[in-house]
Amino acid sequence: ETGVTQSPTHLIKTRGQQVTLRCSSQSGHNTVSWYQQALGQGPQFIFQYYREEENGRGNFPPRFSGLQFPNYSSELNVNALELDDSALYLCASTLRGGQETQYFGPGTRLLVL
Amino acid sequence: GDSVTQMEGPVTLSEEAFLTINCTYTATGYPSLFWYVQYPGEGLQLLLKATKADDKGSNKGFEATYRKETTSFHLEKGSVQVSDSAVYFCALREGAQKLVFGQGTRLTINP
Repeated sequence: ETGVTQSPTHLIKTRGQQVTLRCSSQSGHNTVSWYQQALGQGPQFIFQYYREEENGRGNFPPRFSGLQFPNYSSELNVNALELDDSALYLCASTLRGGQETQYFGPGTRLLVL
Repeated sequence: GDSVTQMEGPVTLSEEAFLTINCTYTATGYPSLFWYVQYPGEGLQLLLKATKADDKGSNKGFEATYRKETTSFHLEKGSVQVSDSAVYFCALREGAQKLVFGQGTRLTINP
């Protein structure tokens, strides 16, 4: 039990739609990272938010965007969904300035048809 | 850029066998190294970590030693159990940002 929760657990969308995934970090963690894990692969870094501002981005297009809120929750938004966006999306929270271990939530499994 | 290479899976062992999952990395600096475990249908759980050369991380009978000279962080366990069946990911982190993961190794332990 990491104290990080995500919703929803599963989601089905069609190509071209938009989706919002939510994450609730451990209390006091000021940093959240999002990862995409395709089937049979390791997670790939999408971006990180620190104190409500984007603080690093992986090789993902601008249609992947995020928000971080003062109450330790965050969102991942994906516009214009493509079939290849089907994956498990994981968020991880960290206390920057502490041990900086990333604690992962259980993930949201997105299927794009 | 930074990268992590893991032993190809799947790996199948009998209960009480010795386990090694190889992991090597490429990084420009001195990263922290991690092993995460993913059980079916779940997210990632931190198994162990090491933050500098020659550190040994250990947890639940698993161990891994940070070897700078061979850029390796191999995972070992002396006697595996059926409950250890999962996918294991080696990862590195440089700085405060992203984790870079290997492709994962699926481990199945038969009774």
